[in-house]
Amino acid sequence: DSGVTQTPKHLITATGQRVTLRCSPRSGDLSVYWYQQSLDQGLQFLIQYYNGEERAKGNILERFSAQQFPDLHSELNLSSLELGDSALYFCASSAPRGAGANVLTFGAGSRLTVL
Amino acid sequence: AQKITQTQPGMFVQEKEAVTLDCTYDTSDQSYGLFWYKQPSSGEMIFLIYQGSYDEQNATEGRYSLNFQKARKSANLVISASQLGDSAMYFCAMREGFGNEKLTFGTGTRLTIIP
Repeated sequence: DSGVTQTPKHLITATGQRVTLRCSPRSGDLSVYWYQQSLDQGLQFLIQYYNGEERAKGNILERFSAQQFPDLHSELNLSSLELGDSALYFCASSAPRGAGANVLTFGAGSRLTVL
Repeated sequence: AQKITQTQPGMFVQEKEAVTLDCTYDTSDQSYGLFWYKQPSSGEMIFLIYQGSYDEQNATEGRYSLNFQKARKSANLVISASQLGDSAMYFCAMREGFGNEKLTFGTGTRLTIIP
């Protein structure tokens, strides 16, 4: 158990629907990152939050949004889902700056299937 | 241009042999970090080893070592005495610049250990 908790583990939904993926970082970690892993795109960085504020943005579609709450958990919202959104969505967290190599600790992922 | 290049899509290695997984990177930053992650068939991403750009010694973690050749911009992962449990996808990743914490991943190498 990495200490990063993601729910749900699996999700099957239909095109056009909206889903929310949830992530709780490791205790003490302030940064949360979202990554998408698909067969054709590989591991793509979506977005990073640090202590509730957006820190960096990657290849995140406008249909996707995220936030980090005061208790540091984060949610990734995916709307108007398309078949191509089927992927494994990872959340990762890292310790505050100065604590070492900024190693990202990943959760087990949420596997989204859009039918 | 690709930031991280892993040229070996798949490798087959006999159990107990050593294996080298290749990784080259591209950055103009002086400060950067290089990481290797393992993804078993169960899907989770497991951190293996880290090398900082200013580290003069090659990083080692148990059976894992990182062969860092800065001038060649390569950061190959060496696994000594391979085991059946080493069968997995292996990803090389880079963090660029100071203050940037997100990782950019390569496309991965699928390693299969043959008994």
